[in-house]
Amino acid sequence: AQSVTQPDIHITVSEGASLELRCNYSYGATPYLFWYVQSPGQGLQLLLKYFSGDTLVQGIKGFEAEFKRSQSSFNLRKPSVHWSDAAEYFCAVGPRAAGNKLTFGGGTRVLVKP
Amino acid sequence: DAGVIQSPRHEVTEMGQEVTLRCKPISGHNSLFWYRQTMMRGLELLIYFNNNVPIDDSGMPEDRFSAKMPNASFSTLKIQPSEPRDSAVYFCASELEMNTEAFFGQGTRLTVV
Repeated sequence: AQSVTQPDIHITVSEGASLELRCNYSYGATPYLFWYVQSPGQGLQLLLKYFSGDTLVQGIKGFEAEFKRSQSSFNLRKPSVHWSDAAEYFCAVGPRAAGNKLTFGGGTRVLVKP
Repeated sequence: DAGVIQSPRHEVTEMGQEVTLRCKPISGHNSLFWYRQTMMRGLELLIYFNNNVPIDDSGMPEDRFSAKMPNASFSTLKIQPSEPRDSAVYFCASELEMNTEAFFGQGTRLTVV
């Protein structure tokens, strides 16, 4: 069965510092990969996705993620965080077939210190 | 487009009562998903529809839960009877096509007392 692991439940980072959120997945084949962000009291918003091609994917709000097949990882990065980046971040995988049953990781809550 | 619209935003009900959550997907989207989010279990897919037809309801926790999509612009998730362990945030999401971006509503926070 597929699974997604986000090892870090909480991360605290200073404003202006870099951020990296880890995501590892277990899947029968290379899935579609996603990162979503959830601000308090809000739904999830897609940051970026990987379907194929260049393994370094650019997203919104200055985020990027790199797919590493050998490590089954899809880590999210941002070079310089802003206070507005404080939120919960979810990695998700979905099948390369009809039926986009996304499996989500447990999420990483990011706190930004001034 | 206003995005995916869910109602109500908050619902507090007593154990044993029927609860109906509503979702209006983005116009033109042909896939609709219901998710449940709890601290203990995270985000779980309950059921999804494609072209108004339920495709996979294996995530529905038990017979007390049911979902319908009578037309392309409306879906309901019903819990009858409700129990305190059903307390969670329920999200609806829609997609233009399978395996593209899922757009989420703001969720319904359900509290069963």
